[in-house]
Amino acid sequence: QSALTQPRSVSGSPGQSVTISCTGTSNDIGTYDYVSWYQHHPGKAPKLIIYDVNKRPSGVPDRFSGSRSGNTASLTISGLQAEHEADYYCCSYAGSYTLVFGGGTKLTVL
Amino acid sequence: QLQLQESGPGLVKPSETLSLNCTVSGGSITSGANYWGWIRQSPGKGLEWIGSIYYGGSTYSHPSLSSRVAISIDTSNNQFSLRLSSMTAADTAIYFCARDHWQQHFDSWGQGTLVTVSS
Repeated sequence: QSALTQPRSVSGSPGQSVTISCTGTSNDIGTYDYVSWYQHHPGKAPKLIIYDVNKRPSGVPDRFSGSRSGNTASLTISGLQAEHEADYYCCSYAGSYTLVFGGGTKLTVL
Repeated sequence: QLQLQESGPGLVKPSETLSLNCTVSGGSITSGANYWGWIRQSPGKGLEWIGSIYYGGSTYSHPSLSSRVAISIDTSNNQFSLRLSSMTAADTAIYFCARDHWQQHFDSWGQGTLVTVSS
């Protein structure tokens, strides 16, 4: 069971959109509809922002969206704001009652 | 609103066993279709799922840690616990507890507790 692959860092200017990719395999992202994304400001509790590939929990604005193509899931944040600067993690169910996370992506708002 | 709080020692000696508790408030640990999980973040690295437990007692853990992991649940005190044996420096991390919705996603998290392995 290997970690999902995310870019180490991405950046964007306020108002722009950014997309973070998360690449897995046919044993996780490619098979199961249980891909989730988390926003983590260091020192605080991680926050669920996307689940089941593209669903948003109550209270999460629609500027956050999720998608999947094959073995790769993506998180798009539109209308970047300074408060979006954080670490973002993807996670997928990987069968046999196991879960796997990505290595995390640091988003910098320029 | 559901809240989770980790507690335990901040320092563990090599080869010893780590014991952490997670206290759940604002809801019952036995309600809903929920598992309860442990996740960690090693320095400079990403999140790693350690394992999860269903309130009925069924447990599941990361294949690479399964031989060292024990997760238990105390429904009377609304708590669940992690024991990780044979600790090494590689186990130094922030340990989070979280509500695991049917092994699909983690929808409520604690703030995490730093555990350092050092003699």
